[in-house]
Amino acid sequence: DIQMTQSPSSLSASVGDRVTITCRASKGIRNYLAWYQQKPGKVPKLLLYAASTLQSGVPSRFSGSGSGTDFTLTISSLQPEDVATYYCQKYNNAPFTFGPGTNVDIK
Amino acid sequence: EVQLLESGGGLVQPGGSLRLSCAASGFTFSSYAMNWVRQAPGKGLEWVSALSDSGGSTYYADSVKGRFTISRDNSKNTLYLQMNSLRAEDTAVYYCAKGYDIGWYPGGYWGQGTLVTVSS
Repeated sequence: DIQMTQSPSSLSASVGDRVTITCRASKGIRNYLAWYQQKPGKVPKLLLYAASTLQSGVPSRFSGSGSGTDFTLTISSLQPEDVATYYCQKYNNAPFTFGPGTNVDIK
Repeated sequence: EVQLLESGGGLVQPGGSLRLSCAASGFTFSSYAMNWVRQAPGKGLEWVSALSDSGGSTYYADSVKGRFTISRDNSKNTLYLQMNSLRAEDTAVYYCAKGYDIGWYPGGYWGQGTLVTVSS
């Protein structure tokens, strides 16, 4: 099975900073990658699918890129409400594995 | 408004069984793939199982294959997860999640979850 990794596992940044999270698949998954945000104590929320397509209602400061094995999630200007854990998920075929998550907080 | 309401969680002894349900409303249930995803206390998300809109295709994580069975009743707008031979490591909040669009599996909408605790 394809393994998913994320880096860093956690980061701390200032409000307004540009933040980048990386997700890597152990084999190519084309662009079948989704990104989720889970705020503390809340249910996960889909941010992007197809690696770079923003889900309806998600702020435009979130963006995604990549194809094959390497993907990035970028927050162009970090806001206090973005404090959360971010997960990637592959869905080219089952199992639809999640990455281990990246914790983002405010410095 | 899309609603997913999980039920059936609780305390069960190792080796026991539980059946989770997810009642769906606010969308055409029979048109969407559905998933179960779990989250152990303080841990990350773990995809558990998924099935197609018709229920004709089912998928499982290796960790639950042979023990869990996913199913759906499109006449009742309900998703199920039958969990047998439960282990301590199955302790988690179990979420049902609706595919974000017709024909796609990633969870575009999630329920609030139901807690399963496996302990003697």
